[in-house]
Amino acid sequence: EPEVTQTPSHQVTQMGQEVILRCVPISNHLYFYWYRQILGQKVEFLVSFYNNEISEKSEIFDDQFSVERPDGSNFTLKIRSTKLEDSAMYFCASSYYVYEQYFGPGTRLTVT
Amino acid sequence: KQEVTQIPAALSVPEGENLVLNCSFTDSAIYNLQWFRQDPGKGLTSLLLIQSSQREQTSGRLNASLDKSSGRSTLYIAASQPGDSATYLCAVNRANNLFFGTGTRLTVIP
Repeated sequence: EPEVTQTPSHQVTQMGQEVILRCVPISNHLYFYWYRQILGQKVEFLVSFYNNEISEKSEIFDDQFSVERPDGSNFTLKIRSTKLEDSAMYFCASSYYVYEQYFGPGTRLTVT
Repeated sequence: KQEVTQIPAALSVPEGENLVLNCSFTDSAIYNLQWFRQDPGKGLTSLLLIQSSQREQTSGRLNASLDKSSGRSTLYIAASQPGDSATYLCAVNRANNLFFGTGTRLTVIP
C-alpha cells in the first residue's frame, strides 16, 4: 500500500541553524501539507501546497518557513533560523483532492 | 475560527466493552471529517473519513457518525481490545486544511 515517507526521523539542531525536513508524498497525490505537533499539544496546520505554489498557510508559517517541491517526488519544509520553540514533531501529509489526507510517520525536531 | 473539542480527554475501559468518543466543532462549513489514531511518539493513522454529505461511515469494529448541523461527530468502537489503546483524534477539513482536536487517550484494560 502506498505511504508517505519522511526523513530524517529525528533531527537535532542548534538554535539559529537552518534545517530541511524531507517528505515523499504518495505518487498520484496532488495536494501536500505540513503540520506540526508540539509535545502534549494539538496537531496544527502549517501550510498546504498545490500546483507548485502555496494554497494556504497558517499564522505559524511566517517568513522563517518555506516549502518546495524540488522534483517530481520530494516535498521539503525549510526552517531558516531555528528557535527553541520550533521543537516539535513535524508531519507531512498528502491527498488526491479534498479527500482523505494520509500522514507520514513524522520528523522529531529538537532545537537546543 | 474553527475550534474542535474532544470529550473525554481520557478513557479507561475493560476489554470487550463498547465505547463512544465524542468530537464537536464550531463551524459547520466543512468538507469532511477524519478520525485518526496516534500511538505514543508515532504518526497519525487515518481510521475513517466522513464526507460532509454523509451521516455515517463504518470500518470493521469502528463506526463514525456526523451531524454537521449540530457540529458533532462520534466514533463508536465495538468490543474493545487492548490493541485499541491509543490516542484518537478527530479533525475537520475546512478549505483543505485540517483542524484537530486535542484527542481522547483510550486505555483498554485486559
